[in-house]
Parts: sequence; structure tokens; C-alpha cells
Amino acid sequence: GAVVSQHPSRVICKSGTSVKIECRSLDFQATTMFWYRQFPKQSLMLMATSNEGSKATYEQGVEKDKFLINHASLTLSTLTVTSAHPEDSSFYICSATTGWNQPQHFGDGTRLSIL
Amino acid sequence: TQLLEQSPQFLSIQEGENLTVYCNSSSVFSSLQWYRQEPGEGPVLLVTVVTGGEVKKLKRLTFQFGDARKDSSLHITAAQPGDTGLYLCAGEANAGGTSYGKLTFGQGTILTVHP
Repeated sequence: GAVVSQHPSRVICKSGTSVKIECRSLDFQATTMFWYRQFPKQSLMLMATSNEGSKATYEQGVEKDKFLINHASLTLSTLTVTSAHPEDSSFYICSATTGWNQPQHFGDGTRLSIL
Repeated sequence: TQLLEQSPQFLSIQEGENLTVYCNSSSVFSSLQWYRQEPGEGPVLLVTVVTGGEVKKLKRLTFQFGDARKDSSLHITAAQPGDTGLYLCAGEANAGGTSYGKLTFGQGTILTVHP
């Protein structure tokens, strides 16, 4: 149980393209989803917290107009990297939870490479 | 902002050796979690410790939560090549604060166990 599916697993695109990443909770309803960014051999950095039906809360230094988050249902959150540039290349990971003080279940990540 | 200092960052040992990874903070956490992550995948939860002084064992892995719930350690006995990976500690903030529900990750420990 508690499976989180992230799609796509890998994407390579040209600079200036907008890229959408999906995060789905397959067998539970996720009231809250988190989006993280991870550079090679480094830890996870929280980008934003997404609650179903409300606006995402972004961490300090994360541009909300650059990283658009939508959490329209209890099983789906999307992260759109708008007008992506090479510096946006990274490993993006989502997690989902049924509520506060409940475990976060992580997706397998999306490797984004901007040429 | 809660910080979690994880050490060491890199650990390269021979099969059969023991090792300990530490996570320390000046902040109190409601719980602390340990994850293991393989390249190109999301982190996988190993254990959650909640009570100060708690010790949990998972086969050759022993996890301890400090009495004050500010620090934790992961001890691996007789390490094997299959233990190789990135180990992450993550603390969940106490209720009532603006960070409640969020995970603060340590910097990670890259463990390599040589046969």
C-alpha cells in the first residue's frame, strides 16, 4: 500500500520549454503533497507544500511563477517548470501524505535535463 | 528554520565493518525518520522514531533517538555491499509551528561498502 507514482521518470528538453511533472497517490487520498529538488549526491530540499484545493506554500527562495504547482484532486499534484533553463536541471521528487503527523510516501523522482 | 546536521557525508568501508551515522540539531523534533535512497529513485523509509531515548532495530541496523529528541544515530553492524547507498535522516517539526508536517532533511551520508 501507499504507492506514489511520479511521471515522467526522465525528461530531456530544450531551453525555454515548459515541463509538467505529475505526482499521483495510487491507493490513498493525499491531502498534502510535497515537492523536493535534489542535486547529485546531495540531500532533498523542500520546494513547496501543496494542499488539495488550495494554493501551494513555497519555501523561501523558490520562485512560485517559475515552479507552478496544482493540487486539484486528492490523488494528483502537478509541478510545471515554466520556461526551463539549464540551471533548472535536477532530480525532482514528490511525496504524499494523508495528513499531519502521518508518514510521507515518496515517488521515484523525475530526472529533468534542460539542454 | 530547523537544521539537521548529518555526518559523516561520505563513508567508505570494507565489508564486515561497523559504522555509525549521526544527525544532530539544536531543535526538537516530533519524530525523526531514516531513509535510504538508491541512484535515480526516491527515498525509502527505513524507520521512524518518535519517543525520546527510543531504540529500534531492523536486522543489522540500529536506530536511536536522543532523549531530548534533538539527535539520532544509525548504526550498521557488519556492513555488506548491499548496504551501499545514500542514507538520509529527516526530522518532522513539532506541532504548532509554521513548519509542522514538513520534513527537514540532513545533508545525507553516501555509504560505500567494498567487498
